[in-house]
Amino acid sequence: GESVGLHLPTLSVQEGDNSIINCAYSNSASDYFIWYKQESGKGPQFIIDIRSNMDKRQGQRVTVLLNKTVKHLSLQIAATQPGDSAVYFCAESPGNTDKLIFGTGTRLQVFP
Amino acid sequence: EPEVTQTPSHQVTQMGQEVILRCVPISNHLYFYWYRQILGQKVEFLVSFYNNEISEKSEIFDDQFSVERPDGSNFTLKIRSTKLEDSAMYFCASSSGENTEAFFGQGTRLTVV
Repeated sequence: GESVGLHLPTLSVQEGDNSIINCAYSNSASDYFIWYKQESGKGPQFIIDIRSNMDKRQGQRVTVLLNKTVKHLSLQIAATQPGDSAVYFCAESPGNTDKLIFGTGTRLQVFP
Repeated sequence: EPEVTQTPSHQVTQMGQEVILRCVPISNHLYFYWYRQILGQKVEFLVSFYNNEISEKSEIFDDQFSVERPDGSNFTLKIRSTKLEDSAMYFCASSSGENTEAFFGQGTRLTVV
């Protein structure tokens, strides 16, 4: 289930540091956004979502920021842990549909 | 914790053969989806299903593909005559409503030889 991603952007962080993963989305009509985490051999796992009437939402150790002006989404992970190592995908859902359009993914590597 | 389950985890089939990928969505969910992920690429939408009918499908989902909810628990994806380019991970997902959290299964790795 992993995206092997020969061309996958990679973010390497030290354990305990904060991570910021960025995503540019494509459709200005999108009104719902989700971040998924995908570990090797597994399906996408929901992390956090945000609707277009918000610009920030916080979860446990994670924060999603939405900038509709420039169609940009970011995921901040506080105190990154080795278990956070995975590929992270943003996904958008245009307002007239319930399908998800996934981004290309970012590989997060956490080293001790 | 409820989860989406998919079987088999890995399916190898010869080109031209029919395959059926099976999914058991979360029991109180009403919206069901199939996505696929070709190795090294991003996750792509195939089809959404609600109220016993297809609500949306992508260009990938041509007449070789079909979905069915044969009973109250299973949701299947059938590929009638597989092609080499159908080789991918196929993910089933379900959600309780439109634009709500979609839960994904672990996927079925389909290899067409």
